[in-house]
Amino acid sequence: QKEVEQNSGPLSVPEGAIASLNCTYSDRGSQSFFWYRQYSGKSPELIMSIYSNGDKEDGRFTAQLNKASQYVSLLIRDSQPSDSATYLCAVNKLGSSNTGKLIFGQGTTLQVKP
Amino acid sequence: EAQVTQNPRYLITVTGKKLTVTCSQNMNHEYMSWYRQDPGLGLRQIYYSMNVEVTDKGDVPEGYKVSRKEKRNFPLILESPSPNQTSLYFCASYLRASGTDTQYFGPGTRLTVL
Repeated sequence: QKEVEQNSGPLSVPEGAIASLNCTYSDRGSQSFFWYRQYSGKSPELIMSIYSNGDKEDGRFTAQLNKASQYVSLLIRDSQPSDSATYLCAVNKLGSSNTGKLIFGQGTTLQVKP
Repeated sequence: EAQVTQNPRYLITVTGKKLTVTCSQNMNHEYMSWYRQDPGLGLRQIYYSMNVEVTDKGDVPEGYKVSRKEKRNFPLILESPSPNQTSLYFCASYLRASGTDTQYFGPGTRLTVL
């Protein structure tokens, strides 16, 4: 079992829809969770972090964390073609709130069709 | 402008010829890290540093060395490169302050080892 798993996709959604990206992790001690967006040929960029169970919203993005189920998700509301990218989930393996050893999933490719 | 710089951006070298990829950040971040990205394997952490003179292994440290003599610089050293180190390398810095996470990635260094 991989430590951090994501469906590689592609996930295709129509413009204006909600895109739901999912990530599961194996280390129950993990405390910090991150979502990155990476456009083709570009560097990753941090878009969301979450540390507590529940939802965290930032603009059109909502991160959801369920530690009991070892599951973290990213919802993108009102998806735009400019959201088309690969989304990477990362988990802090140390289990502290300070980022140390990060484990990444393989990423989910999102395609938003006009 | 906040940024992480890497040099060189592209490098073709031969097996066994020592090389250094430099990384520098201008944000006074304590945390810095190196990653490699390979098709099908995603982003993997090589080494990270929580502060000056404090470094630790990530997921794939074999064949790499790092040093952190000053806060702004975090060079990646390949003492005897091999073809399996052909990859896209990213350096990143990170800060968590007042509940806000800030992370910047460098533009990437594409390394080919023949």
